[in-house]
Amino acid sequence: NAGVTQTPKFRILKIGQSMTLQCTQDMNHNYMYWYRQDPGMGLKLIYYSVGAGITDKGEVPNGYNVSRSTTEDFPLRLELAAPSQTSVYFCASSPSLGPPETQYFGPGTRLLVL
Amino acid sequence: AQSVAQPEDQVNVAEGNPLTVKCTYSVSGNPYLFWYVQYPNRGLQFLLKYITGDNLVKGSYGFEAEFNKSQTSFHLKKPSALVSDSALYFCAVRDIPYSGAGSYQLTFGKGTKLSVIP
Repeated sequence: NAGVTQTPKFRILKIGQSMTLQCTQDMNHNYMYWYRQDPGMGLKLIYYSVGAGITDKGEVPNGYNVSRSTTEDFPLRLELAAPSQTSVYFCASSPSLGPPETQYFGPGTRLLVL
Repeated sequence: AQSVAQPEDQVNVAEGNPLTVKCTYSVSGNPYLFWYVQYPNRGLQFLLKYITGDNLVKGSYGFEAEFNKSQTSFHLKKPSALVSDSALYFCAVRDIPYSGAGSYQLTFGKGTKLSVIP
């Protein structure tokens, strides 16, 4: 199993541009998550999904959108990039059945907005 | 609301010495507690977890953590530090599950940078 994979690894965007961060997991997990990690800070949850077709907002959803058309994929969309979105983005997944879960993380996407 | 505090931004320890990385938590119910490690340019890796039972939890790479309910702490420990243990360590907590938005979230601390000096 590859686990959780993310693309791209690094990207530079200009203010106002848009992009999609890709996330794929091959563990058949129902739950998937997007986090951002700012320098010296812990993770903050952007969006999460409890299954295909079901998504919900986390702590910091503004400026982002997500979709979940399949169990495997959970892309994160930035429509109008802003410098405040410069961060490292982590995708994660976890097993669906009952607590407690352990989240499996991808290697991250480093995004720089200039 | 649940929260996690890691009071030390950085911990320095000599190779071969014991290490401790501190974590305290606050939850409304019973806590599920986790430690993760993040090496440079890598994603978070799960180290160990406390769910219930024995207060001393053993995990990967020789790490262990002690759950102390009265002090609401979950400190990470290792008897003998290695240079390869140098990384960023995150403590995380989840409250008991309930219905509603945000019920599946882990709350992370800010992280503690561990430097093991040869």
